[in-house]
Amino acid sequence: GAVVSQHPSRVICKSGTSVKIECRSLDFQATTMFWYRQFPKQSLMLMATSNEGSKATYEQGVEKDKFLINHASLTLSTLTVTSAHPEDSSFYICSARLDVSNQPQHFGDGTRLSIL
Amino acid sequence: EDQVTQSPEALRLQEGESSSLNCSYTVSGLRGLFWYRQDPGKGPEFLFTLYSAGEEKEKERLKATLTKKESFLHITAPKPEDSATYLCAVQATTGGFKTIFGAGTRLFVKA
Repeated sequence: GAVVSQHPSRVICKSGTSVKIECRSLDFQATTMFWYRQFPKQSLMLMATSNEGSKATYEQGVEKDKFLINHASLTLSTLTVTSAHPEDSSFYICSARLDVSNQPQHFGDGTRLSIL
Repeated sequence: EDQVTQSPEALRLQEGESSSLNCSYTVSGLRGLFWYRQDPGKGPEFLFTLYSAGEEKEKERLKATLTKKESFLHITAPKPEDSATYLCAVQATTGGFKTIFGAGTRLFVKA
């Protein structure tokens, strides 16, 4: 099956630090990648959609200058949380999808971000 | 407005007690409906895709079915290792293939 690797799995850092999270599709070329945030016992909240070689499309209420997304190749997208504060602490999950027919998204294992 | 509603929010079963999870959807045009399993602290794991009413898919103790308004995930003789959150998602024909996720059903299976 399709494999998506997300790194790191856990980050603990001080307030004001910028944190970069990588998302790689290991065995397929992902035309589109997605970034989600998930709060405890809640479902996935879509933050942005990332297409290779173009600017990400952010959902309403998500600050694009706070959450920088780069989709440099068909196998790699990065999310940088800039000047992170405690309220940015959350579980961030990426997914990747081939935009061919009705393909499902395949998810990484998530990154637990804790800002002290 | 496109919408996905899952019920129940949580379900507690004894080992071997079969049951079903429901996913009701409202979408302008359905390209596909997806079921995922999510374990605590992990990303969702893809289970099934269903494309048209009447379609069924099976995997071990799980069977997914689809009608024009809802999908069911049937769990036959569940085991404790089936405990997880099960997410349903639909992809519409409009809006750039946007996928809409339900809130999930948390399943607990007791030995």
